[in-house]
Amino acid sequence: DSGVTQTPKHLITATGQRVTLRCSPRSGDLSVYWYQQSLDQGLQFLIQYYNGEERAKGNILERFSAQQFPDLHSELNLSSLELGDSALYFCASSPGTGTGSYEQYFGPGTRLTVT
Amino acid sequence: GQNIDQPTEMTATEGAIVQINCTYQTSGFNGLFWYQQHAGEAPTFLSYNVLDGLEEKGRFSSFLSRSKGYSYLLLKELQMKDSASYLCAVTFPSGGSYIPTFGRGTSLIVHP
Repeated sequence: DSGVTQTPKHLITATGQRVTLRCSPRSGDLSVYWYQQSLDQGLQFLIQYYNGEERAKGNILERFSAQQFPDLHSELNLSSLELGDSALYFCASSPGTGTGSYEQYFGPGTRLTVT
Repeated sequence: GQNIDQPTEMTATEGAIVQINCTYQTSGFNGLFWYQQHAGEAPTFLSYNVLDGLEEKGRFSSFLSRSKGYSYLLLKELQMKDSASYLCAVTFPSGGSYIPTFGRGTSLIVHP
């Protein structure tokens, strides 16, 4: 158990819908990262927040957005869902901004299925 | 973007040694992580290399050559539970942070 929690574990929804994925980092970790993992793309970095502020952006679509709240939990919002958005979405946390040798602790993931 | 190359699949026998290679573009490189991921589960941290050389941690060792853009993960005394995907991730600076770019992973199959 990494100490990172994600809800829900599974989510099935229809195309065009909007969903919210939730992540609680390990106690004391200020950074939260979101990743998408699909069979054809591997693990893709989406976005990072540090202490409530957006710190880095990766391959995140405009239909996707995220935020980190004062209690450090984070939410990833996916809208106008398409079949290709079906994937495992991981949240990870680390103590710092990602400088130095901070390893990332991954949550169990949310499996999103868009039908 | 960063090109990270690692073999798609490898097979090995229980008790043996296996080496999983990873190559990357050196420009802007900061450090390199290895993660293990069992099917349907979250990646778990194995090692981090930022300086050249070999880092040993129990049955697992990781090597880095910064000038050659090359790393390997060495697994000794293989066990059946080592069957998993092994992800190489290279970090680059991005806006005051360091973001990992992951390879596609090497699926290791350990057979009796």
